[in-house]
Amino acid sequence: DSGVTQTPKHLITATGQRVTLRCSPRSGDLSVYWYQQSLDQGLQFLIQYYNGEERAKGNILERFSAQQFPDLHSELNLSSLELGDSALYFCASSTLPKDEQYFGPGTRLTVT
Amino acid sequence: AQTVTQSQPEMSVQEAETVTLSCTYDTSENNYYLFWYKQPPSRQMILVIRQEAYKQQNATENRFSVNFQKAAKSFSLKISDSQLGDTAMYFCAFTSNWLGNEKLTFGTGTRLTIIP
Repeated sequence: DSGVTQTPKHLITATGQRVTLRCSPRSGDLSVYWYQQSLDQGLQFLIQYYNGEERAKGNILERFSAQQFPDLHSELNLSSLELGDSALYFCASSTLPKDEQYFGPGTRLTVT
Repeated sequence: AQTVTQSQPEMSVQEAETVTLSCTYDTSENNYYLFWYKQPPSRQMILVIRQEAYKQQNATENRFSVNFQKAAKSFSLKISDSQLGDTAMYFCAFTSNWLGNEKLTFGTGTRLTIIP
């Protein structure tokens, strides 16, 4: 158990819908990262937050957004969902940006 | 941009044997960090080992060790006395030392099967 929690574990929704994925980092970790794992794209970095501020952006679609709250938990919002958004979404956290990242169990999103 | 290449899509080895997974990367930076992550069938991503590029000594964690060749940009993982629980996908990953660029860049993975 890495100490990073993600909810829900599984999510099934229809095209065009909007969902919110939640992540709670390890106790004391200030940096949160979101990654997407799909069969065709592999593991891709989406976005990073550090102590409530956006720090880096990767291959994140405009339909996706994220935020980190004062209690350091983070949410990833996915809207206007398409079939191709079906993937495993991971949250990871680290104490400081330079430290090793520990991953949560992931949220499996299925868009039908 | 940094890239990470894992050229072995699948490998298998008998239980108790030693296996080496290969990884090469491309970067123009002099200081950076390299990692191996394990993803078992549960899909959890588990950190196996970390190497800092400025350290010449190869990292070790129990049965796991790396062979870090900075000039060749090679970072292989050796698993000794392999166990059934080592069956998993293994991902090599790179992260920069530049501020604001701490994302992990992953290779495509090697699926390792330990045969009883």
